[in-house]
Amino acid sequence: SAVISQKPSRDICQRGTSLTIQCQVDSQVTMMFWYRQQPGQSLTLIATANQGSEATYESGFVIDKFPISRPNLTFSTLTVSNMSPEDSSIYLCSVAPGQGASYEQYFGPGTRLTVT
Amino acid sequence: DAKTTQPPSMDCAEGRAANLPCNHSTISGNEYVYWYRQIHSQGPQYIIHGLKNNETNEMASLIITEDRKSSTLILPHATLRDTAVYYCIVRASGTYKYIFGTGTRLKVLA
Repeated sequence: SAVISQKPSRDICQRGTSLTIQCQVDSQVTMMFWYRQQPGQSLTLIATANQGSEATYESGFVIDKFPISRPNLTFSTLTVSNMSPEDSSIYLCSVAPGQGASYEQYFGPGTRLTVT
Repeated sequence: DAKTTQPPSMDCAEGRAANLPCNHSTISGNEYVYWYRQIHSQGPQYIIHGLKNNETNEMASLIITEDRKSSTLILPHATLRDTAVYYCIVRASGTYKYIFGTGTRLKVLA
């Protein structure tokens, strides 16, 4: 398993500004993921962030809006840029520390973002 | 698109077994079934996963039908703390992505 922390836990931001969310893992992991959960909805994968390579974004998400850094095997950041009220969501990071054909993901506690 | 279908909500009496069904009729032979739950918009918590055989751990049991087109998560003695949204996810072997469906909101009643 893995223990994941996120900062900040919540924030209220003004439209047009940017927020950087940090994700810290207690062990070295290759695979890290960022999700968004809009109010009352399920989780949607934003991107996969592997250390040493560019993040891979899912359909509907672009690097200019959600730039991601992955400087080492225990840390990543997600920036929500030029925010609008539609970006109000919970943002979660997860990691897949296992090996082999089957392994589970472990999720951080999430960052609750409100854009006014 | 999500590869799984779950009922939107279920109730269960405290102390009774909670049986949560999941349909994954398009599952392929190398795809695993994972179950997670999310309590009060916290990060999802891993419960159990399986490929073909039934699985059991300290939290739950996973029953997968022989044709693998459906599965059931069993919480043997539900408590109020088991009230959560439960997600059934199919992940293809060799990929890392989870596609979350809408989940089942389980409410455990006192």
